[in-house]
Amino acid sequence: AQTVTQSQPEMSVQEAETVTLSCTYDTSESDYYLFWYKQPPSRQMILVIRQEAYKQQNATENRFSVNFQKAAKSFSLKISDSQLGDAAMYFCAYRSGGGGSNYKLTFGKGTLLTVNP
Amino acid sequence: DGGITQSPKYLFRKEGQNVTLSCEQNLNHDAMYWYRQDPGQGLRLIYYSQIVNDFQKGDIAEGYSVSREKKESFPLTVTSAQKNPTAFYLCASSGQGGYQPQHFGDGTRLSIL
Repeated sequence: AQTVTQSQPEMSVQEAETVTLSCTYDTSESDYYLFWYKQPPSRQMILVIRQEAYKQQNATENRFSVNFQKAAKSFSLKISDSQLGDAAMYFCAYRSGGGGSNYKLTFGKGTLLTVNP
Repeated sequence: DGGITQSPKYLFRKEGQNVTLSCEQNLNHDAMYWYRQDPGQGLRLIYYSQIVNDFQKGDIAEGYSVSREKKESFPLTVTSAQKNPTAFYLCASSGQGGYQPQHFGDGTRLSIL
């Protein structure tokens, strides 16, 4: 079974600075998808960014980008120009590329990000 | 707007009681999921359904049951067999294809009276 590890239970960053959240995963598959979700205090889960494993290019969404290292099984999230609204719990998630029962996501335990003004 | 509606927002269960959490989506998604979230545990999959009238157990299905009679609806029943039901429950749905993200409802907080 796949596992997702977020080694940083908590992180903090100054407003306008850059922060990187770590995520590693364990899989024997070559085809899969990776996601970062954000959960603010409202507890709504919001998709931040996603990456297809067969794409070498790192995904970018405005101030959010990933560093995807397939060989190292690493999928870190970089937040640039951090804003107060970025404060949230961030979850890394893995999804197998096959069909059938592989629709489901496996989540890490999350990293709580604090943004200091 | 399209989305996922979970109700109620807060729910209280008495000992020995079954309670049902509602999840409705109007995104025309085939797949639906139920997750349980406990502090420090991330999200754990309870049940999922990829098509009407079919569903599979997730990682922590014991003490829970589901039905999928309509594409739009995927209710979760927390039975009296679930001895530690206090948690935050999230429902999600997704379209076909691995790159399609899961869309989440706002959650239901279940507590024991």
